[in-house]
Amino acid sequence: EPEVTQTPSHQVTQMGQEVILRCVPISNHLYFYWYRQILGQKVEFLVSFYNNEISEKSEIFDDQFSVERPDGSNFTLKIRSTKLEDSAMYFCASRGLLEDGYTFGSGTRLTVV
Amino acid sequence: AQSVTQLGSHVSVSEGALVLLRCNYSSSVPPYLFWYVQYPNQGLQLLLKYTTGATLVKGINGFEAEFKKSETSFHLTKPSAHMSDAAEYFCAVTSYYGNNRLAFGKGNQVVVIP
Repeated sequence: EPEVTQTPSHQVTQMGQEVILRCVPISNHLYFYWYRQILGQKVEFLVSFYNNEISEKSEIFDDQFSVERPDGSNFTLKIRSTKLEDSAMYFCASRGLLEDGYTFGSGTRLTVV
Repeated sequence: AQSVTQLGSHVSVSEGALVLLRCNYSSSVPPYLFWYVQYPNQGLQLLLKYTTGATLVKGINGFEAEFKKSETSFHLTKPSAHMSDAAEYFCAVTSYYGNNRLAFGKGNQVVVIP
């Protein structure tokens, strides 16, 4: 069964550093998403991406965050100048038809120290 | 904006007993509803979904859910719990209309007691 692949599975970074989280969506999907889950809290929407541009972003997704699809297969989330409160599990998701649902990756656990 | 309410963060169930996880949604347009399961240190796996058509939907691992528009509910059930059902379960809502973002509930951590 097709999978969404995320790397790395764990990342520890120092406050103020930049991190890039990587995702390989399912190859025939056209819609891509990033979500995050702070420990003990809801899974929260960050951003959606379609046709090589952001289609929607949440209030969380400020200038600190950016997304890119650099080569037609990878989908990256960059977090500049990380803060302690950015520590969370970050999930990538992709979908084709909405009726088929969203496929999520296994997540990247980001710890900012 | 769409939203989901899941009450009771932790749910304990005896092995062999009924599993019932409640989900109520809020949506001003026809909803698409999903249940996802998260096993420890793993991603979110789709259990089942309702988009259109039959309101009783069956998913993987013996789970099913019924969409009740009048009650704005999409409760998840399994007749007989198994130890392998121990996981966190999330209800989520989106819609064909608008931005298609998924809005998640807080989740239910299910503990199965032998």
